[in-house]
Amino acid sequence: EPEVTQTPSHQVTQMGQEVILRCVPISNHLYFYWYRQILGQKVEFLVSFYNNEISEKSEIFDDQFSVERPDGSNFTLKIRSTKLEDSAMYFCASSEPGNEKLFFGSGTQLSVL
Amino acid sequence: GDSVTQMEGPVTLSEEAFLTINCTYTATGYPSLFWYVQYPGEGLQLLLKATKADDKGSNKGFEATYRKETTSFHLEKGSVQVSDSAVYFCALTPYNNAGNMLTFGGGTRLMVKP
Repeated sequence: EPEVTQTPSHQVTQMGQEVILRCVPISNHLYFYWYRQILGQKVEFLVSFYNNEISEKSEIFDDQFSVERPDGSNFTLKIRSTKLEDSAMYFCASSEPGNEKLFFGSGTQLSVL
Repeated sequence: GDSVTQMEGPVTLSEEAFLTINCTYTATGYPSLFWYVQYPGEGLQLLLKATKADDKGSNKGFEATYRKETTSFHLEKGSVQVSDSAVYFCALTPYNNAGNMLTFGGGTRLMVKP
């Protein structure tokens, strides 16, 4: 079965550094998403992306965050200047047009020191 | 805003026991309701869904019924297996949600012992 892949599985960074989390969505999917889960808390929606632009974003997704689809296969989440509270598991997901079923990757655990 | 509340875990059961994981929601209108499952080391996978009141979603022996009157979507399975050990997430998307913004519950860890 096709799957969403995320790299790296673990990322450690210093506070204030930029990080880029990478995702390869399923090839025929056109909707892309980032969610995150802070340890002990709920999985939270960050952003959805369609047709090369953001379609929805949450309050969490402030100016420090950006997303990009740099080529036909990758979908990235950039955090410009990481804070301690950005430490979380970040999940990428994708879906087909008109289908509510999201396919999630196994996540990138980001630790900000 | 919308919210989902599910029972806290962990839930520990013996193989072949009956499973119920409670889930209630708060939302305006008629959201779509989902159960996602996360096996160790893997991403979340859609287990089942229901899009309107009284619909029953089912998959792999699991089922859940969309109850508008009690705003609930409880997950049940008649006989659990060790392989069902995972974290289960109840979630919703708002009515007419084009952005597929899922609102998740906190997750319930299920541990099934042989």
